[in-house]
Amino acid sequence: NAGVTQTPKFQVLKTGQSMTLQCAQDMNHEYMSWYRQDPGMGLRLIHYSVGAGITDQGEVPNGYNVSRSTTEDFPLRLLSAAPSQTSVYFCASSYFDRGPYGYTFGSGTRLTVV
Amino acid sequence: AQTVTQSQPEMSVQEAETVTLSCTYDTSESDYYLFWYKQPPSRQMILVIRQEAYKQQNATENRFSVNFQKAAKSFSLKISDSQLGDAAMYFCAYRTRRETSGSRLTFGEGTQLTVNP
Repeated sequence: NAGVTQTPKFQVLKTGQSMTLQCAQDMNHEYMSWYRQDPGMGLRLIHYSVGAGITDQGEVPNGYNVSRSTTEDFPLRLLSAAPSQTSVYFCASSYFDRGPYGYTFGSGTRLTVV
Repeated sequence: AQTVTQSQPEMSVQEAETVTLSCTYDTSESDYYLFWYKQPPSRQMILVIRQEAYKQQNATENRFSVNFQKAAKSFSLKISDSQLGDAAMYFCAYRTRRETSGSRLTFGEGTQLTVNP
């Protein structure tokens, strides 16, 4: 059981480039989400999905796009990378409101935009 | 919207001693979940302990326990017999149960715990 698989682990982008962070889970979780972690700010929600075909914005959605065509996959797209998007990104999944389940997190992607 | 506040950016403890990390939150809801996550230098987020708001009894997991004060909106984490492996960033998190908000987690800013040998 792999849990949540996130790729790549590290990435350096030039300003203006686009890229996709991949996230896949094999636990049949309905809920998937993307967070960014910045020093002193905890983890902030970018986008989330409660099931295939359904996505919604979190606290900091600008500059990011998501889609959810399957239950397993939830990629995050950076449309035109900016230095302000330098951060550590986490994908997380969970059952949708079936009890006090915490999230299962991926191992994170450290993204640097130069 | 809910907010979570961790007022201690850094804490330190001697090995084998006890330390308490503070967390307060703001919500108008009566039913929710609270969590503590640990993030060691490996960056992996590890669930330490969870609490259901409707339960009066404080949760306990081995050396980790919480002091849940619902009226005060306080959720502190106590680590007993601290070990070197407990050194990490600790995050407090709130999860709503309202369907319209999905299952989103709101995190505090984190507390960096150092364990001194």
